[in-house]
Parts: sequence; C-alpha cells; structure tokens
Amino acid sequence: KAGVTQTPRYLIKTRGQQVTLSCSPISGHRSVSWYQQTPGQGLQFLFEYFSETQRNKGNFPGRFSGRQFSNSRSEMNVSTLELGDSALYLCASSLDPQGELFFGEGSRLTVL
Amino acid sequence: GQSLEQPSEVTAVEGAIVQINCTYQTSGFYGLSWYQQHDGGAPTFLSYNGLDGLEETGRFSSFLSRSDSYGYLLLQELQMKDSASYFCAVPYNQGGKLIFGQGTELSVKP
Repeated sequence: KAGVTQTPRYLIKTRGQQVTLSCSPISGHRSVSWYQQTPGQGLQFLFEYFSETQRNKGNFPGRFSGRQFSNSRSEMNVSTLELGDSALYLCASSLDPQGELFFGEGSRLTVL
Repeated sequence: GQSLEQPSEVTAVEGAIVQINCTYQTSGFYGLSWYQQHDGGAPTFLSYNGLDGLEETGRFSSFLSRSDSYGYLLLQELQMKDSASYFCAVPYNQGGKLIFGQGTELSVKP
C-alpha cells in the first residue's frame, strides 16, 4: 500500500511569491491534515480536511489556505511568501479524524 | 488552550532503558499519542493512550495518568536506531487537529 506522497519535496522561492504544495493520502483515507515544522516552533497545525470540508484550522494568517478534492488529494497554498515561511510542510492522512496519523516525507520550502 | 511539555534532550547508552515524560494542559482530553521522527523525516506513530495505564508495543511502552495530566514513553533495550526526536501529542478536539509537544531529541550512545 502506497504511503502519503507529497510533492514537491524541495523548493526554493523568493519573498512575495506564492507556492502550492500537493499531498496524496493513503488510499481510503479521507482525513488529511497539514503541519508546519520549524526548529523554533516545532510541529504546528495548519488545517484539517475531511471529505472536502475544512474541519479545523490553526492559528496561521490568511495567506495560508488549503483545499481537498473529491479523491481526497489535498493542496495547500501560501501566498506572498515571507522569510519566516521557510519550513518543512508535512501532510498526514488518517482513516478517520481521530485515527493514527500517517505522515508524508514533507515539502521543504526555503524562502529567500 | 492546549500545551504540552517534554524535555528537549535525553541521552542514553545502547541497551539501557529511557523514559520520556510529557505533561499536558488541555481544555478537554481525547487521548495522548507519541510519534517518532528521524532527522526531519516523516513522523511515525508509536502509541496511543486513551485510558489510564500502560500500553506495550514491543520495546516501547506508553503510560498515561489522566488525574496527573501526565504520560511517558518508555524505550527498553535501546538501539542506535532509536536516536530520533519523540513527540507527544493531544487532539485539540474530537476532530483531526493534533497539538504536538516541542519534541525530545534522544541520543543513543554506544
């Protein structure tokens, strides 16, 4: 069974640009959540989707947005990038919202 | 709100036993989970405690005391490959939002 796939794995952007990250969950998993990981702040929750509906949102500015498609694949977008957005963005899927999370390898974003 | 505290670093030798503690403050409680992460890779699920007591999975055990808002992860027969960061986490609500501790970096020495 394929795991959670995130693309791209690495990317470099400049301040002011926007970026879209993609996540394909494990087949059959309908819950997808996103986390930002930085050395100083640890793992911070961004959003969670279940059956195309955003059920939870973390304390991030409106520049961070996401969506989930009918096939459970999810994307997150960050607009007007800032240096502080440099981080590892992790996607996780689960069978149900309270279940064990299966994480992808992450997308490492560097903002210059 | 929710917050979790765990030690930032722990060092132990191969073959030893190590305990990583986690104390939490939550407005509601829906269980305590533990995740392992090697060198910034994908975190992997280790264990979940919904009720008080000990859960054992091979060399790893996890304990929960809801009255003390406290849990720990116990790693026995330490191996070099156990060197990693360990995170405790609690659900924010009954949905899929997890609040993670800052992580404990475990270094296993020969």
